[in-house]
Formats: sequence, structure tokens, C-alpha cells
Amino acid sequence: DVKVTQSSRYLVKRTGEKVFLECVQDMDHENMFWYRQDPGLGLRLIYFSYDVKMKEKGDIPEGYSVSREKKERFSLILESASTNQTSMYLCASKFGGELFFGEGSRLTVL
Amino acid sequence: TQLLEQSPQFLSIQEGENLTVYCNSSSVFSSLQWYRQEPGEGPVLLVTVVTGGEVKKLKRLTFQFGDARKDSSLHITAAQPGDTGLYLCAGATGREGGFKTIFGAGTRLFVKA
Repeated sequence: DVKVTQSSRYLVKRTGEKVFLECVQDMDHENMFWYRQDPGLGLRLIYFSYDVKMKEKGDIPEGYSVSREKKERFSLILESASTNQTSMYLCASKFGGELFFGEGSRLTVL
Repeated sequence: TQLLEQSPQFLSIQEGENLTVYCNSSSVFSSLQWYRQEPGEGPVLLVTVVTGGEVKKLKRLTFQFGDARKDSSLHITAAQPGDTGLYLCAGATGREGGFKTIFGAGTRLFVKA
């Protein structure tokens, strides 16, 4: 079974703090994604990566950056967290058209 | 901008009832997927439909892709409490869905015992 693991299930941060969300997949998938999920808005794509050190902006990249130094690991970075970044963050890898999601990281910014 | 609209947004039914959830767009997709997300978990793929007019069955769930590949429906027969969850449709363009998958906002289903 494919396993996508997100390092933190719940985080509480203060406005202005730097936040790292880590994601690791164990199936050697090339494509990895970061989404945020908000009620009534569904999943919105923040960034994706199709290879090591490669990254592409999704639909809502503002306020976020990403890092992919190793194939299995895709990190989402909030340089200076703001309250409007309070959300559920979902990492996924993709193979054969199917997205495999982690359990999500619920971030609250106070 | 490609958009996927799902309806209804929320559905609360009794065990044993039938229901249909709709996913509509003005855009054409090469494939359309349905995911189910349970509380505290990430979405899990239920089915992918790729051919206009295609119908797929997964036990009590029936999925249909519109002839024009712009819409899809999910029908559940004799719903059970275990069907409770958030149902998301997702559309993709390009071979194997390309790099981007567009999601609808979801239909939250609650099945009462």
C-alpha cells in the first residue's frame, strides 16, 4: 500500500512565525502536491512538484513556498504565518492518475 | 478557469434510502474521479471514469460520466451509516490527468441509523 505521511496532524502557531509542513511518500512517485482544504471551497492546489528540485505554482501559491530536495520528501513552508492561512493542509503523491493523500495537517494561526 | 460544482452541499438521510450526488462543469475533462474523505483522514479514490457515457458500479455505488465529459453523478443505493463522509469529485485534463486535478467543494453525506 502507498503511504503518504505528514509529520504533524495538528499545529498551533502565532502570526509571523515560520511554519514547516513535512510530507514523505514511500512509493517512489515523481509527482507530489500540496493542497489546502477549507469548508465550501474544496481542495485548492498550492504547489506541486514533478521531480527533485522542480516546483510549479498551483492556484494559490501566495504566502507559501516549497522544497523538494529528495524524491520522497516534499515540504511546504509558510515564511510568515498569517491568520488567513488557518486551514487543513493535505499532501499527496500521484501515480497513474490517482492521488494518494496523507491524513492532513490542521494548522491554526493565532 | 475550470470549475467543478457539486450538489447538494449537504445531505442527511436515513439508512436504506437512495441518493444521487451531482458534479457539473462547463469544461471538458479527460477523466473524472470521485474520492471519499472520512473525518480525520485524507481523501481516498473510489473510481475514475474516462469515457463519455461510461457507467461504473462499485457494490452499491454507481458512477456515471456525462456524454460530453463535463458532468458526473454518483448514486448510492440503500445507504448505510458507513457511507457517511465527504464525497469529492475531481476533474483532470491531459494524459493520466496531467499535473493538475481540479476538485469540487464536496458533498457532505450523513446517513442516520
